[in-house]
Amino acid sequence: AQSVTQPDIHITVSEGASLELRCNYSYGATPYLFWYVQSPGQGLQLLLKYFSGDTLVQGIKGFEAEFKRSQSSFNLRKPSVHWSDAAEYFCAVVMYGGSQGNLIFGKGTKLSVKP
Amino acid sequence: AAGVIQSPRHLIKEKRETATLKCYPIPRHDTVYWYQQGPGQDPQFLISFYEKMQSDKGSIPDRFSAQQFSDYHSELNMSSLELGDSALYFCASSSTTGLETQYFGPGTRLLVL
Repeated sequence: AQSVTQPDIHITVSEGASLELRCNYSYGATPYLFWYVQSPGQGLQLLLKYFSGDTLVQGIKGFEAEFKRSQSSFNLRKPSVHWSDAAEYFCAVVMYGGSQGNLIFGKGTKLSVKP
Repeated sequence: AAGVIQSPRHLIKEKRETATLKCYPIPRHDTVYWYQQGPGQDPQFLISFYEKMQSDKGSIPDRFSAQQFSDYHSELNMSSLELGDSALYFCASSSTTGLETQYFGPGTRLLVL
């Protein structure tokens, strides 16, 4: 079955430091991958997505992610974290095979930013 | 740009009561998805509609039902509410099924007492 794993439940980084959030997926075909961000009590905002083509995708707020088929990974990166980036980050894959595109989410990684 | 609208934003109900959540998709989006996010959990897919027909069903309890109307808005009806139904309920919309990106609404926070 399709699944998404985010190995890190909670990460703390200093403001200005670089960030990498890990995401691994299990899927039989080429996946369609997404990163969403959720601030406390808020909705899910799309950061970026990968469907095909260039494996390095750029998103909003200075985020980027790289799709690595050999590692079944889609890690999210940001070169310099801002305090406003503190939030929960969800990696997700679209599930197919009789379904119509509902998202399967990872458990999320909570990002804290130290001043 | 117009976003997904959900109402109400907050709802408090007693056990065994009913609740109706509404979702207004982005204009010209024809697909609506409902997700449930329990406290500290990831969102779980409940049900989806494409062109007013149910297109997929996830972990939606039998006590819940949903539909999509001719103007593409959707309603999630929840009956015999239980304490465990307390959660954040998200609606998302996309312009076609499958490949198109899902855009999420702000959610409805339901508290069952």
